[in-house]
Amino acid sequence: NAGVTQTPKFQVLKTGQSMTLQCAQDMNHNSMYWYRQDPGMGLRLIYYSASEGTTDKGEVPNGYNVSRLNKREFSLRLESAAPSQTSVYFCASSEQGALNTEAFFGQGTRLTVV
Amino acid sequence: SQKIEQNSEALNIQEGKTATLTCNYTNYSPAYLQWYRQDPGRGPVFLLLIRENEKEKRKERLKVTFDTTLKQSLFHITASQPADSATYLCALLMDSNYQLIWGAGTKLIIKP
Repeated sequence: NAGVTQTPKFQVLKTGQSMTLQCAQDMNHNSMYWYRQDPGMGLRLIYYSASEGTTDKGEVPNGYNVSRLNKREFSLRLESAAPSQTSVYFCASSEQGALNTEAFFGQGTRLTVV
Repeated sequence: SQKIEQNSEALNIQEGKTATLTCNYTNYSPAYLQWYRQDPGRGPVFLLLIRENEKEKRKERLKVTFDTTLKQSLFHITASQPADSATYLCALLMDSNYQLIWGAGTKLIIKP
């Protein structure tokens, strides 16, 4: 089993460009998440999907959109990248929300916006 | 709003000793607390979960305690090894929105 797979691993964008970060999990998990991790700060939730067909905003959703394509896949889109979106992005999944279950993370996407 | 504090300074421990990391939170107690390990360039990996009605949890050389009076969790690694060197993150689950809130992590360095 691959677990949680994110693509790409690295990306450089120019300000104003758009891109989509892809995430897929093969553990049949219901819930999926997108986080960003910045130096000196904890992981911050951007969006999450508690189950297939639903998405909700997290702590820092501005400038992002998501799509839960099916149970396996959850993508994150930056419509018009800004330097403030330079960060490491992690996708995660868990069996049933965050209740009593561990989260499994992908290896991350390191995004630089210049 | 709930805040989590982990020591931002790296913790240097001699191999074989016990490493103790601290996670403090403000406001009301979470439903449970999790500890993760993160290696450079990798995503966090789950280690242990402790619920608010549990005071201690163990897994092999790892031990977690949860003191709701002090609003603190301690994470212990006994007989530490250089391979334990990593950043350790704590995360709290809040009942109100079922979302995890994360600390910034503490970097642990085990010296041979």
